[in-house]
Amino acid sequence: DAGVTQSPTHLIKTRGQQVTLRCSPKSGHDTVSWYQQALGQGPQFIFQYYEEEERQRGNFPDRFSGHQFPNYSSELNVNALLLGDSALYLCASSLGSRIYEQYFGPGTRLTVT
Amino acid sequence: AQTVTQSQPEMSVQEAETVTLSCTYDTSESDYYLFWYKQPPSRQMILVIRQEAYKQQNATENRFSVNFQKAAKSFSLKISDSQLGDAAMYFCAYDYGGSQGNLIFGKGTKLSVKP
Repeated sequence: DAGVTQSPTHLIKTRGQQVTLRCSPKSGHDTVSWYQQALGQGPQFIFQYYEEEERQRGNFPDRFSGHQFPNYSSELNVNALLLGDSALYLCASSLGSRIYEQYFGPGTRLTVT
Repeated sequence: AQTVTQSQPEMSVQEAETVTLSCTYDTSESDYYLFWYKQPPSRQMILVIRQEAYKQQNATENRFSVNFQKAAKSFSLKISDSQLGDAAMYFCAYDYGGSQGNLIFGKGTKLSVKP
């Protein structure tokens, strides 16, 4: 049973560029949440997708957007990259509102230069 | 606003000994979940243990147990018989039962295990 997978593992981008990160949820899960983890900090909630719609959003600017596909996989898009967007981006999946059984992926390390 | 505070940036324990990691949180809700996650250098966040606020009994998972003090809003993690593989960052997290997944994390405690 495959767990949560994310791609790519690492990514280097230049300020002002756009980036897309991808996440495949654990088999049987239909809800995907995205978190940003800056160096030395705990993860911060970006947004959550359920039934192909954004269900919740944290305190992040509109430069951060997402999408969920019919197969429940998800993308995180960040436009107009800033140096401060450098972080580990974590995806987590769960079944519906059963967040107490949320599983995390290994993350994508984004470096903005 | 809900907050989670981990006051110990770093902790160290001798192999086979016991260590306790502290966590306090602030909320006005009565129904919520608390979690401890482990993040090794591989970066993957692994759930160690969870506690439902309405349950008075402290959760245990093998060598890991919690001391949940609801009135004091305290949620500490005890690791017994520490092993080298326990070395990692440990994050305390809170989830309001109705938030449907907006986990709020503390800043973490780095645990070192000495052989």
